[in-house]
Order: sequence, then C-alpha cells, then structure tokens
Amino acid sequence: EIMMTQSAATLSVSPGETVTLSCRASQSVGTDVAWYQQKPGQAPRLLFYGASTRATGVPVRFSGSGSGTEFTLIISSLQSEDSAVYYCHQYDVWPRTFGQGTKVEIK
Amino acid sequence: QVQLVQSGAEMKEPGASVRVSCRASGYSFTKFGMTWVRQAPGQAPEWMGWITAYNGHTDYAQSLQDRISMATDTSTNTGYMELRSLTSDDTAMYYCVRRGDYYDYWGQGTLVTVSS
Repeated sequence: EIMMTQSAATLSVSPGETVTLSCRASQSVGTDVAWYQQKPGQAPRLLFYGASTRATGVPVRFSGSGSGTEFTLIISSLQSEDSAVYYCHQYDVWPRTFGQGTKVEIK
Repeated sequence: QVQLVQSGAEMKEPGASVRVSCRASGYSFTKFGMTWVRQAPGQAPEWMGWITAYNGHTDYAQSLQDRISMATDTSTNTGYMELRSLTSDDTAMYYCVRRGDYYDYWGQGTLVTVSS
C-alpha cells in the first residue's frame, strides 16, 4: 500500500499570503495524484487531478504540481474562504490512498 | 447536472449490517465506476472499494473484503454498499463518489453510527 504523507498537520497563514502544501508518496505514482478541499460539514471537493489539472470552477490562485513522489499544492493570495483541510490522494495503484490532511487556518 | 444522492443516516448496534444507497443522475451511469469512501470523525478519507457500473466488477479494500459488498442497479442508476458485522470502528460518514481514479463528484454522505 502506498503511503501519502502530508508534511504539515496545520498551517496558519495571513490573508493575502501564499501557502505551500506538500505531499510525498512512499513510491512513485507518476502524476496520478489528486487534491481535495474539505470544509467542515461538507464532502471533499476535487481541486486537482493529474497532479496539475485544475478541476472545473477552481480559482486560478490554486496551483498543483509534482510527479513521482513529491507533490505540491500552492494557494496564492489566500482568502478567508480557503480555510479548510486539504488532502492529497494517489490513484496510480490499488488500494487508493489519501494523505492525512493539512488544515489551513487563516490568521 | 451530475448528482449523487445517498440514503439517510443509520444507527446500528454492533454486529448488525448496514446498506447505503446512492442514486446517480445527470450522466451516463454505466460509463463511470462508483467508489465508496468513508471518513471517521476527524480522520482522513479511507478508500473502501469500487465497482464498475457496466459489468459489476468489484475491488475491495483488503481490510474490509470479508464483510463488504457493492452492487449497482443500472435500471435505476443506483449503487449500493453493504457492510456487515459492524463495530464501533465503523462509525463514520460514508460517501459514494463518481469514478474509480480521481473523484470528481461526491454524494452528500451518509452518517453511520454503531452503538449499543
């Protein structure tokens, strides 16, 4: 089973700043990585698939990158509505696995 | 528009079974697989398994394979997930999601609570 490790449990960032979220896979998954945003009481929302392809309706201040074992989600010009938990997810091999999540807090 | 509408919350005693349904609309049901994901309170999502709608092929998480079943009904565009021999560790929000790779549409979730 591939482990997806998100390096930070919580990031506290001021509005307008840029935040970088990291995710590492225990073995290469190519670019078969998705990122999700989850707000309290809601289902996760797809942000990116293929590591860097933005899902429909996702603001351009969100960007995804990476391949192999290292993946990054960057949120530029952070806004209050970006406060959420963000999960990475690999779908290269079975079983599919998720990172443990990074909570982004707005200062 | 694509919608996945799940059945309502369930409260079960330990040892019981639960079946959650997920009615799909707004897309060609047999063209996509359906995945089931659960999320315990305060935890990350956990992949449970998936089923191809067109031929019913399934793939289950090893930790659940002895007590989970998935099915689809193409006449009603509905997916089903049954989990047996429930314990308190199965208390979670259960989601159906479209696709077997990345998950572009999610159901609203079904809360399953296991308690005596």
